[in-house]
Amino acid sequence: DSGVTQTPKHLITATGQRVTLRCSPRSGDLSVYWYQQSLDQGLQFLIQYYNGEERAKGNILERFSAQQFPDLHSELNLSSLELGDSALYFCASSRDRASTDTQYFGPGTRLTVL
Amino acid sequence: SQQGEEDPQALSIQEGENATMNCSYKTSINNLQWYRQNSGRGLVHLILIRSNEREKHSGRLRVTLDTSKKSSSLLITASRAADTASYFCATGQGAQKLVFGQGTRLTINP
Repeated sequence: DSGVTQTPKHLITATGQRVTLRCSPRSGDLSVYWYQQSLDQGLQFLIQYYNGEERAKGNILERFSAQQFPDLHSELNLSSLELGDSALYFCASSRDRASTDTQYFGPGTRLTVL
Repeated sequence: SQQGEEDPQALSIQEGENATMNCSYKTSINNLQWYRQNSGRGLVHLILIRSNEREKHSGRLRVTLDTSKKSSSLLITASRAADTASYFCATGQGAQKLVFGQGTRLTINP
């Protein structure tokens, strides 16, 4: 158990819908990262937040947005869902914001868009 | 596109044998990390090697880094069935970003 929690574990929805994925980092960790893992694209970095502020952006679509709240939990919002958005979404946290920090991954949310 | 490219994509060996996985990357890095992922689960950090280091050990794991060739290798000695997983290299680019490769799927046969 990494100490990072993600809810829900599974999510099944239809195209065009909007969903929110939630992540609680390890106690004391200030950075939260979101990743998308699909069979054809591998593990793609989406976005990083540090202490409530956006710090780095990866291959995140405009239909996706995220935020980190004062209690440091984070939410990833996916809207106008398409079939290709079906994937595992991982949240990770680290103590600080440097790339040398170990990232601790949550168990993931499996999103299925029908 | 992914920065790290693992090789091979899949590896199947007998229990007790050593497993070697390689990772190549394209741009300059400040560190390289290896992670393990059991099927459908979150990634688990294994080891980090900084750009000024050439070799690092952790238990049955040995990592090498050759910045001139932009490559790294992960050696798992005396493999066990529990080592069956996917292994990813991740390169630290700049101050904050980690970029993951596509992974090597390792199967240990009893």
